[in-house]
Amino acid sequence: QVQLQESGPGLVKPSETLSLTCTVSGASISSYYWSWIRQPPGKGLEWIGYIYYTGSTNCSPSLKSRVTMALDASKNQFSLKLSSVTAADTAVYYCAKYGDAYNLDYWGQGTLVTVSS
Amino acid sequence: QTVVTQEPSFSVSPGGTVTLTCGLSSGSVSTSHYPSWYQQTPGQAPRTLIYRTNTRSSGVPDRFSGSILGNKAALTITGAQADDESDYYCVLYMGSGIYVFGTGTNVTVL
Repeated sequence: QVQLQESGPGLVKPSETLSLTCTVSGASISSYYWSWIRQPPGKGLEWIGYIYYTGSTNCSPSLKSRVTMALDASKNQFSLKLSSVTAADTAVYYCAKYGDAYNLDYWGQGTLVTVSS
Repeated sequence: QTVVTQEPSFSVSPGGTVTLTCGLSSGSVSTSHYPSWYQQTPGQAPRTLIYRTNTRSSGVPDRFSGSILGNKAALTITGAQADDESDYYCVLYMGSGIYVFGTGTNVTVL
């Protein structure tokens, strides 16, 4: 059974960098595409981007300048960094796995990150 | 920037049928957008319902079905049940590795 678990600080100061890690079990990180999605409190879901095991990435145009994604095959983890955060980046951040048909088939439970001084 | 639009809310009676749609601010949705649908209840992670337009994810009841209706993707719930009361999101593949979530529809069963 595939499981994903987000981890990282729950509070980040404005202008700093948000850093999250997703630990995967039940599937090899060296296959599939892996994604980050976020959801501001009371709002809808927003696609952030994905990373492939080769290291290739793609991001939402609106976030591209601030997003860095990486993958650590030895730990079966992938990560997200979002720089220069503001209050608008406060959200529940989800990691997810892509299936074979452009779909997100497994999701983590999500982690709330609050941007505040 | 492309906006993927969904109805803000729908109300359906128990046992009734409701069709949610997923459209583009510019252009038509087709199977080439690989529409997928996700159900989210408050405080929970989304759950995959439908992918590749009309393929049900494992364990999803057959009262959920996906299709293309006109120029939009559609999710139909036939025989709605109380536990179908949720938020529903579509996702479209826009090409060049870019995905966009729809604005979401809140479904009430009463």
